[in-house]
Amino acid sequence: AQSVTQLGSHVSVSEGALVLLRCNYSSSVPPYLFWYVQYPNQGLQLLLKYTSAATLVKGINGFEAEFKKSETSFHLTKPSAHMSDAAEYFCAVSEVWGAQKLVFGQGTRLTINP
Amino acid sequence: GAVVSQHPSWVICKSGTSVKIECRSLDFQATTMFWYRQFPKQSLMLMATSNEGSKATYEQGVEKDKFLINHASLTLSTLTVTSAHPEDSSFYICSGIGDNEQFFGPGTRLTVL
Repeated sequence: AQSVTQLGSHVSVSEGALVLLRCNYSSSVPPYLFWYVQYPNQGLQLLLKYTSAATLVKGINGFEAEFKKSETSFHLTKPSAHMSDAAEYFCAVSEVWGAQKLVFGQGTRLTINP
Repeated sequence: GAVVSQHPSWVICKSGTSVKIECRSLDFQATTMFWYRQFPKQSLMLMATSNEGSKATYEQGVEKDKFLINHASLTLSTLTVTSAHPEDSSFYICSGIGDNEQFFGPGTRLTVL
């Protein structure tokens, strides 16, 4: 069965600093991987997705993630944090193309310090 | 991107009553919709898969008689929480599949007193 582990339920960085949110997955087949962002009392917005093309995926708002099969990881990064990046971030995996039946990690709350 | 709406955005009800939550895909047709619940500071847990014109598929441990799902059209799925109890209080989020991507609604916060 597929699963996702996000290391660190809470990450705090200074404005302008590097953002690194960690995600490791487990899947019996080549996975499709996603990062979503959730602002308070809102639904989820797709940041980026890996669909077996390029291993380095660029998303919206300056975020990117790199698929590393050998490490079963899909960490999310952003070179310079902005105050507006403060939110909850979820990594998700699917074994079926088309974002069907996503399995989510437990989430990482990102706080940006001025 | 495509837009999914939910109504109501929040609801408070008394224990024992039923509550209906609507999920609509506004600018695309969603043959498949998903219903999730999210407890405070926790992740989303898939409750069921809703397919237009057929019965919903429930995840293990989800009571199908308590959480009634109807997907009557390509743009509307409803979740009815029957005989709600305080432990059903949660944030319910729906999503629709469009163009090989899941688009999420803004969520409905249910509080059962």
